Amino acid sequence: ETGVTQTPRHLVMGMTNKKSLKCEQHLGHNAMYWYKQSAKKPLELMFVYNFKEQTENNSVPSRFSPECPNSSHLFLHLHTLQPEDSALYLCASSQFLQGNTEAFFGQGTRLTVV
Amino acid sequence: SQQGEEDPQALSIQEGENATMNCSYKTSINNLQWYRQNSGRGLVHLILIRSNEREKHSGRLRVTLDTSKKSSSLLITASRAADTASYFCATGQTSGSRLTFGEGTQLTVNP
Repeated sequence: ETGVTQTPRHLVMGMTNKKSLKCEQHLGHNAMYWYKQSAKKPLELMFVYNFKEQTENNSVPSRFSPECPNSSHLFLHLHTLQPEDSALYLCASSQFLQGNTEAFFGQGTRLTVV
Repeated sequence: SQQGEEDPQALSIQEGENATMNCSYKTSINNLQWYRQNSGRGLVHLILIRSNEREKHSGRLRVTLDTSKKSSSLLITASRAADTASYFCATGQTSGSRLTFGEGTQLTVNP
């Protein structure tokens, strides 16, 4: 248990659906992140939030829409996804921006787009 | 290519043996971190070594960093079946905004 909780753990959605992934941390961390992990590929950083403000969008398609209402919660809103978006989506948090300190990861949401 | 590249891609050993994984990177770093991931789960932080450090220990883990060669190694001593997992190195650049992960080494420890 890392202190970062992601829900749901598994999600199957059609290409026309709208769904949201949720991430929650009560570690008092200031930075939160979304990563995508596909088979046989390195982790891809998607979004970075620092003190609730988005500081990085790593050229992510607009069908992925992040939301950070406060420093403890992070959402990833999904709509009109493609089958190639099927992957493990990982949320992480860190005390400060990630390059300088360790990151705590959630267990991930296994997303399947059909 | 990726900032962090692990070698080997896969490693299979017997319980009790030592496992060594290597990581190479290309640009200057602030720190290098090692993470472990059990199949389909989140990553767990193992150890962080800063650019001015050469070696660090944590339990059965030993990490070395050679900034002149831009490489790091993770040694797991007296391995156990429960050590079976993927191990990733990640580099933090001096700008401090992100970690860049390698593709990982899949370690299998056979009982």
